[in-house]
Amino acid sequence: GAVVSQHPSRVICKSGTSVKIECRSLDFQATTMFWYRQFPKQSLMLMATSNEGSKATYEQGVEKDKFLINHASLTLSTLTVTSAHPEDSSFYICSATLRYSIMNTEAFFGQGTRLTVV
Amino acid sequence: GESVGLHLPTLSVQEGDNSIINCAYSNSASDYFIWYKQESGKGPQFIIDIRSNMDKRQGQRVTVLLNKTVKHLSLQIAATQPGDSAVYFCAEIWGINDQAGTALIFGKGTTLSVSS
Repeated sequence: GAVVSQHPSRVICKSGTSVKIECRSLDFQATTMFWYRQFPKQSLMLMATSNEGSKATYEQGVEKDKFLINHASLTLSTLTVTSAHPEDSSFYICSATLRYSIMNTEAFFGQGTRLTVV
Repeated sequence: GESVGLHLPTLSVQEGDNSIINCAYSNSASDYFIWYKQESGKGPQFIIDIRSNMDKRQGQRVTVLLNKTVKHLSLQIAATQPGDSAVYFCAEIWGINDQAGTALIFGKGTTLSVSS
């Protein structure tokens, strides 16, 4: 089946530094990918929609200058957390949907990235 | 705002029992629903889905029921096993057939604990 790979799975960084998270669709082309953030014991919150070859669409309350998204190819989207602070510590998850047919679409998720800012 | 939510944050059952996890949604325009299982430190894992033109769908040991009248979704797990212990989320999409990529909106989640 289709696979979405996310890297790294865990990262610890110092406050003020930037961290890049990669999301790859391994065996299909994804024109659209989605980035979610999940705080402990909470649900997944959609941060932004990443569109190949164009600007990402951010959800209300998500700072686009802080969470830079680049979707340079049909198989790769990156999320860069710039000038990270401890409150950015979270579990970040990417997703891509694969449309098999007009009535059959499935979403696939990456393994997630645990970001800890110290 | 409109959102998908779950009735209970936790559910504890004995191994072998049937589990029922509930979810209420508020967007009547939603046309596609999915149940996901998430184990600690991992991304969501697809369990089963259902479209709005259906009332019931069965998988292996799982059944999803959709009641559009009261905007209610449930996941039934038969003969629950310790390996079923995880957080379960319902998620919705509206406009599933409109475009190739559509974001899922997740509910709050229910933690299922299965004891032996």
